[in-house]
Amino acid sequence: AQTVTQSQPEMSVQEAETVTLSCTYDTSESDYYLFWYKQPPSRQMILVIRQEAYKQQNATENRFSVNFQKAAKSFSLKISDSQLGDAAMYFCAYRPGSNYKLTFGKGTLLTVNP
Amino acid sequence: NAGVMQNPRHLVRRRGQEARLRCSPMKGHSHVYWYRQLPEEGLKFMVYLQKENIIDESGMPKERFSAEFPKEGPSILRIQQVVRGDSAAYFCASSPQGASTYEQYFGPGTRLTVT
Repeated sequence: AQTVTQSQPEMSVQEAETVTLSCTYDTSESDYYLFWYKQPPSRQMILVIRQEAYKQQNATENRFSVNFQKAAKSFSLKISDSQLGDAAMYFCAYRPGSNYKLTFGKGTLLTVNP
Repeated sequence: NAGVMQNPRHLVRRRGQEARLRCSPMKGHSHVYWYRQLPEEGLKFMVYLQKENIIDESGMPKERFSAEFPKEGPSILRIQQVVRGDSAAYFCASSPQGASTYEQYFGPGTRLTVT
């Protein structure tokens, strides 16, 4: 069974600084997708960034980028120039290419200090 | 384009009552997924439905829980005879076709509290 592990229950960062959130996963599949979702206090799940396993290039979305290490099964999220609005729970998620079931980690609570 | 709508946002039920959670997918989406988020946990898959069909209910408890997605109207997640352990946030997601190739877009969730 696939598992997703987020080893940092909580992280904090100063406004305008950079922070990296860790995620590892376990799978025997070769075709899959990885995601980072943001859940602010409103509890809405917002897709931040997505990575296809077959792509070697790391995905980027403005201030958000990932470090995808396929062999190590690692998928970390880097947030640059952190803003107060980035404060939220961040979930790493995995989905096999042939399936629709998302498997989520337990989340990392990010605090942004002014 | 309205996103995925869920209502109610908050629902309080006493033990033994029934809870009905509604999900209206995004316009043009015919696939719906329900996930449950227990306190301090990530979301866990419950059930996948297309219009009038349950495709996969492997994540749903065998008793007291049921889901439907009728030809007309929203998808409904129904929990009969609720117990305290059912207290959680229930999220619905939708996709235009099977989400092996399409993103799942999430609604804001329904927070169920069982007293």
